[in-house]
Amino acid sequence: GDSVTQMEGPVTLSEEAFLTINCTYTATGYPSLFWYVQYPGEGLQLLLKATKADDKGSNKGFEATYRKETTSFHLEKGSVQVSDSAVYFCALRGPGGYNKLIFGAGTRLAVHP
Amino acid sequence: DAMVIQNPRYQVTQFGKPVTLSCSQTLNHNVMYWYQQKSSQAPKLLFHYYDKDFNNEADTPDNFQSRRPNTSFCFLDIRSPGLGDAAMYLCATSLPGGPNLYEQYFGPGTRLTVT
Repeated sequence: GDSVTQMEGPVTLSEEAFLTINCTYTATGYPSLFWYVQYPGEGLQLLLKATKADDKGSNKGFEATYRKETTSFHLEKGSVQVSDSAVYFCALRGPGGYNKLIFGAGTRLAVHP
Repeated sequence: DAMVIQNPRYQVTQFGKPVTLSCSQTLNHNVMYWYQQKSSQAPKLLFHYYDKDFNNEADTPDNFQSRRPNTSFCFLDIRSPGLGDAAMYLCATSLPGGPNLYEQYFGPGTRLTVT
């Protein structure tokens, strides 16, 4: 079945460092792809999305490009801040149901000053 | 602000004692979801409602039930909690169409402990 694999954390960076969190997927066809973020003590929030191949989603300085050739949707940010510390989830819209999401296991990011 | 609210944030129950978790939303969304998230794992969809139409995932145990009395509220009932049911339970909502078709709005979650 459809699945999402993302790099294990935690990822620990210094402020202003470059961030990459890898995400690859297995799916039938070309599903919509998402990055959700979960800040401490809060629910998941949509960070960005891409609905077709070669689309680039972007928000708050984060970017991810839908690469069908490599079935990937890596998350990047040029300069992280302490406030970006959170858990990041890659997800795809699964088959059947209304907007069923299939999530990766999450990657914890810790940014220190 | 429109939002998804989950109560309580922390729930402790005893092995085998029924427990109910609550979710309410002020977004007026048609679709509501319940996810189970165990420590360091991905959220796993248990079931969802489209209005009053209930959709159970094939691998959701019978021990888990849900009720949606109206658009705003949805409940998760665990009839006989086992130690393996200790997890974070996430409620989410979405619209079935429109420009934000694929976005789900999550509540903060209820962390369930089974003793």
